[in-house]
Amino acid sequence: DQQVKQNSPSLSVQEGRISILNCDYTNSMFDYFLWYKKYPAEGPTFLISISSIKDKNEDGRFTVFLNKSAKHLSLHIVPSQPGDSAVYFCAARGSSASKIIFGSGTRLSIRP
Amino acid sequence: DAGVIQSPRHEVTEMGQEVTLRCKPISGHNSLFWYRQTMMRGLELLIYFNNNVPIDDSGMPEDRFSAKMPNASFSTLKIQPSEPRDSAVYFCASSLGTSGRRVGYEQFFGPGTRLTVL
Repeated sequence: DQQVKQNSPSLSVQEGRISILNCDYTNSMFDYFLWYKKYPAEGPTFLISISSIKDKNEDGRFTVFLNKSAKHLSLHIVPSQPGDSAVYFCAARGSSASKIIFGSGTRLSIRP
Repeated sequence: DAGVIQSPRHEVTEMGQEVTLRCKPISGHNSLFWYRQTMMRGLELLIYFNNNVPIDDSGMPEDRFSAKMPNASFSTLKIQPSEPRDSAVYFCASSLGTSGRRVGYEQFFGPGTRLTVL
């Protein structure tokens, strides 16, 4: 039973345009959400997070939006750059203070 | 800070052999996590420790898998005997957890160990 779902395994966006990665979750008790970025042959690296008491968090070119009623969050990257090509994982904090649950990832490709 | 350190980076072994993966978390972090990444299942949490104590091992696939954390700076994941279906990339991650008045949920990942069981 996947509690965190990324339904798009891949996404291709032109350089300079906006990339939107989506994530859905099923557990209304999740209170903290994170996005990770992963390059080949490297471990995932933390990108941005949002608490459930907020609906938006922005950090430079990256913005995460949270819609609690729809149990949906999204990551916006604008403008998209070639270095943004990577796999992006959505994650949510479960009932434990430490444990987080990852989605299956979306491979983003930025084309010139 | 060197970040999370994992060894070996690559391991090729034959079916039936014992495999031991090692991890050194970031100094001061109280929580340590072992993940497995496969094409089919993405990132699966196998087990995690808080203050060296195993908290949740429900993700450990079978009794062939075991993990230990003898001290705050070292953990091992052992597979015995190994099988071809264990082939995957295994990641170790650590996080600050709850340390006094500081709380950190972000996990910092090591570079992973790519395991191939022939």
